[in-house]
Amino acid sequence: KAGVTQTPRYLIKTRGQQVTLSCSPISGHRSVSWYQQTPGQGLQFLFEYFSETQRNKGNFPGRFSGRQFSNSRSEMNVSTLELGDSALYLCASSLVSAGISPLHFGNGTRLTVT
Amino acid sequence: AQTVTQSQPEMSVQEAETVTLSCTYDTSESDYYLFWYKQPPSRQMILVIRQEAYKQQNATENRFSVNFQKAAKSFSLKISDSQLGDAAMYFCAYRVEYGNKLVFGAGTILRVKS
Repeated sequence: KAGVTQTPRYLIKTRGQQVTLSCSPISGHRSVSWYQQTPGQGLQFLFEYFSETQRNKGNFPGRFSGRQFSNSRSEMNVSTLELGDSALYLCASSLVSAGISPLHFGNGTRLTVT
Repeated sequence: AQTVTQSQPEMSVQEAETVTLSCTYDTSESDYYLFWYKQPPSRQMILVIRQEAYKQQNATENRFSVNFQKAAKSFSLKISDSQLGDAAMYFCAYRVEYGNKLVFGAGTILRVKS
């Protein structure tokens, strides 16, 4: 079974631009969540989607948004990029949105904002 | 708000020896889940072990085991017979019963010496 696939693996953008990251979950998984990882703030929860509905949102500005499609694939968008948005963005999928069901992570997208 | 604290930024262990990584958390919930993830240089977060808070029995997965002390809000990870492949960043994470929002600790870098 294929794992969680994130594309692209690396991205370089300029301040003020916008970016879209993609995540394909494990087949059959309906929950997709996104995390930002930086050396200073560590791993922080961005949002979770389940059956195309946002279930939960972390403490990030409105420039960060996401969506989930009917095939459970998810995209994350960051508008008006700032230098501080440079980070590793991790996507994780799960069968359900409750219980002990573990999150399976992708390899991440490394975003560099210059 | 829930918080997770890993007080050891870095640990070292000799190959074949045993090492324990510490984790404490703060929550007012009674039902929750705890996880240990490892992140090797490849960046992919890999689930090591998980524990339901309502279970008193400590979880075990091969060479990995936990010491879960609910009253003390402590969740340490013991790695026995350490191997070179165990070298990675280890993250302790907390999750409430519903939703896939994980709260992560800052991580512990584990170095394995041959």
